[in-house]
Amino acid sequence: EPEVTQTPSHQVTQMGQEVILRCVPISNHLYFYWYRQILGQKVEFLVSFYNNEISEKSEIFDDQFSVERPDGSNFTLKIRSTKLEDSAMYFCASSQGLARQTGQGTEAFFGQGTRLTVV
Amino acid sequence: RKEVEQDPGPFNVPEGATVAFNCTYSNSASQSFFWYRQDCRKEPKLLMSVYSSGNEDGRFTAQLNRASQYISLLIRDSKLSDSATYLCVVKVNNDMRFGAGTRLTVKP
Repeated sequence: EPEVTQTPSHQVTQMGQEVILRCVPISNHLYFYWYRQILGQKVEFLVSFYNNEISEKSEIFDDQFSVERPDGSNFTLKIRSTKLEDSAMYFCASSQGLARQTGQGTEAFFGQGTRLTVV
Repeated sequence: RKEVEQDPGPFNVPEGATVAFNCTYSNSASQSFFWYRQDCRKEPKLLMSVYSSGNEDGRFTAQLNRASQYISLLIRDSKLSDSATYLCVVKVNNDMRFGAGTRLTVKP
């Protein structure tokens, strides 16, 4: 079964350093997402990406964050100058978009996440 | 008002019990609705989509009321393995928004 893969599974970085979290979405999917989940809290939307550009971003996704799809398979989240409060689980997800038959949005599939610890 | 609101629980129920979760959403343009399940420190996984006419998958029944902007999930004959956090997810265009989740613990 196709799956979303994320690397690394755990990243420890010093405050102020830059990190790049990597994701390989499911190959025929068109929409890509990054979410974060601080331990014990809800899943928070960061950004969605379609057709090689950001389609929507949340208030959390400020100038510290950027996303890129450098080739046909990878989807990356870069966090510049990390802060202690950036420590969280970061989930990548992808979906096909609207289902042709029903016009309903199709479900998103999630990667296993990258646990980012900023020290 | 939050985009997607859920009763956080926790719900502690005995095996075999029936339990219902509710969710409300604020954006009337929302198009698609899902229930996801999240186990501790794992990624969310799709439990079921929610269709306008309501739908059932084994012990799980989902309902949607567009007029009231309300979604529900009913779990019958709960099992120990149903213990998890249940996330209500609403999609507007192709952007998904999550509720905070409802924690369920099923006890022997």
